[in-house]
Amino acid sequence: DAGITQSPRHKVTETGTPVTLRCHQTENHRYMYWYRQDPGHGLRLIHYSYGVKDTDKGEVSDGYSVSRSKTEDFLLTLESATSSQTSVYFCAIRPQRPSRGTGELFFGEGSRLTVL
Amino acid sequence: AQTVTQSQPEMSVQEAETVTLSCTYDTSESDYYLFWYKQPPSRQMILVIRQEAYKQQNATENRFSVNFQKAAKSFSLKISDSQLGDAAMYFCAYWSQGGSEKLVFGKGTKLTVNP
Repeated sequence: DAGITQSPRHKVTETGTPVTLRCHQTENHRYMYWYRQDPGHGLRLIHYSYGVKDTDKGEVSDGYSVSRSKTEDFLLTLESATSSQTSVYFCAIRPQRPSRGTGELFFGEGSRLTVL
Repeated sequence: AQTVTQSQPEMSVQEAETVTLSCTYDTSESDYYLFWYKQPPSRQMILVIRQEAYKQQNATENRFSVNFQKAAKSFSLKISDSQLGDAAMYFCAYWSQGGSEKLVFGKGTKLTVNP
């Protein structure tokens, strides 16, 4: 158990409304990631963070913003949700201890978002 | 940019038989890691096996093994003695030591195990 909690786990919202997904970790890992998973596309990186207030874009960052004001929390915000953002969102952390392997990610349980 | 290709959207295997899932990748890096993740219907992402590019020996984890061909940029997963619990989506993934800090995934292969 990598101590990752995502909330909410399920959400249905309407087009144009703001949505925030939260990822919480208990082990003070520096690197945190947000991916989205869609059929036929696998997992695609939205944004990632390499420390408090340090974030960078992934390959599908348009329409999303992130914030990390504390080591343990990484927030993903959809400022104005669209139907194309209906997806399953995964948060992940990357341990840096050599014994855990390099590059290996540990994932949360996912958040299913439906935008009507 | 690095890319990972899984050319088999779906595969099926009979229980107790062996199946091989294919993965190819494109990179100019020499130092990197490759992974296979399993995603059962529960949606949880589970690491199956990891391969360091500098190691010539193929990684093995119980019934799961890989065939890593660095020159061909190929990284296939072999599942022996398939079990019903192996039914899942399988994702191949690439991470470079060179500093992109991003795990790049293939599109996945859905494995069905028939009793």
